[in-house]
Amino acid sequence: GAVVSQHPSRVICKSGTSVKIECRSLDFQATTMFWYRQFPKQSLMLMATSNEGSKATYEQGVEKDKFLINHASLTLSTLTVTSAHPEDSSFYICSAGQGTREQYFGPGTRLTVT
Amino acid sequence: KQEVTQIPAALSVPEGENLVLNCSFTDSAIYNLQWFRQDPGKGLTSLLLIQSSQREQTSGRLNASLDKSSGRSTLYIAASQPGDSATYLCAVIGGNEKLTFGTGTRLTIIP
Repeated sequence: GAVVSQHPSRVICKSGTSVKIECRSLDFQATTMFWYRQFPKQSLMLMATSNEGSKATYEQGVEKDKFLINHASLTLSTLTVTSAHPEDSSFYICSAGQGTREQYFGPGTRLTVT
Repeated sequence: KQEVTQIPAALSVPEGENLVLNCSFTDSAIYNLQWFRQDPGKGLTSLLLIQSSQREQTSGRLNASLDKSSGRSTLYIAASQPGDSATYLCAVIGGNEKLTFGTGTRLTIIP
């Protein structure tokens, strides 16, 4: 299957700082990338959908000014958590699709804000 | 709004037994349904994808069925092994191309 990577796998940052997470499709061109967050023992919740070269579409309740998404190329999307707070600590997972309605998931990034 | 529910939330079975995980969804207008496993602290591993026109898919000891009209899917695991212990998630894709995930079933296989 298609391979999607995320970097970093784990990050610890101080409250008030910003953190950038990268999502890359390694062996295919992703027309659409999705960002999810997952709290402990809960399922994945979609945060936003990004299409290459256009603005991301955010789900209801997700602050677009706090979670900045950039999809600059067909193989890279980034999620920047700005002015992070402890409540932003979570597991962030990206996925990539080719328009076939099957998504390929990255390994996730564990963010801890102290 | 699509809602996906998985029952049971947790399941423990002795090694070697066959088991069934259940998934139900409220809106039958889906394109496909996918089953994933997630190990603690890890990402998702795709297990099986069933297109809306299909009724089942098989991979090794896993068999997934789909009854789109009744909004149900099952994941059958044969001859369970301790390595099968994980959280199993089902997810559906609808017309908006967004995946809606179920609540998950945490499976423990007892050696």
